Amino acid sequence: GDSVTQMEGPVTLSEEAFLTINCTYTATGYPSLFWYVQYPGEGLQLLLKATKADDKGSNKGFEATYRKETTSFHLEKGSVQVSDSAVYFCALSGDTGGFKTIFGAGTRLFVKA
Amino acid sequence: DAGVIQSPRHEVTEMGQEVTLRCKPISGHNSLFWYRQTMMRGLELLIYFNNNVPIDDSGMPEDRFSAKMPNASFSTLKIQPSEPRDSAVYFCASRIEGLNNQPQHFGDGTRLSIL
Repeated sequence: GDSVTQMEGPVTLSEEAFLTINCTYTATGYPSLFWYVQYPGEGLQLLLKATKADDKGSNKGFEATYRKETTSFHLEKGSVQVSDSAVYFCALSGDTGGFKTIFGAGTRLFVKA
Repeated sequence: DAGVIQSPRHEVTEMGQEVTLRCKPISGHNSLFWYRQTMMRGLELLIYFNNNVPIDDSGMPEDRFSAKMPNASFSTLKIQPSEPRDSAVYFCASRIEGLNNQPQHFGDGTRLSIL
């Protein structure tokens, strides 16, 4: 079945450092890919998405490119801020029927001032 | 626009009591999902509905858990009787179904503590 694997956390960075959170997926067909962010005490919220191969999703300085050849959707940001401290979830929604979104386990990011 | 609304935000009760969690999805969304989140198990899908009909309840942990969606604007998740291991944050999410590129929209969750 479909699955998402993302790098384990926690990830601790200093402010203004470069961020990469790896995400790979297994799916039949052509899924849509998402990154969600969860701040403390809140629900998950969409950060960015990409719906087809080579699409780049971007929002708030974060970017991720849908790479079908490597089945990856790595999240990057050039300069993180303390306010980016949160848990990040990679997810996919398949095109082979069904209603589920498959979420990764989440990666906790701590950014130090 | 109002997002997904969950109530209560916090619930503390003693084991054995009945607990009812409530969710109002975003108007126009035709799919609704209930999740449970714990440190140990992460985010787990419990059940989802499409057009008010339960599609997959395989994630419901036990018969003590039940969920209903009597109309397009309201859903409940009930635990009876509750146990300490049910303590978690429960999220409701909704989505427009039919296009895979539509994200789920989450509520802020209900933090449940069973003593």
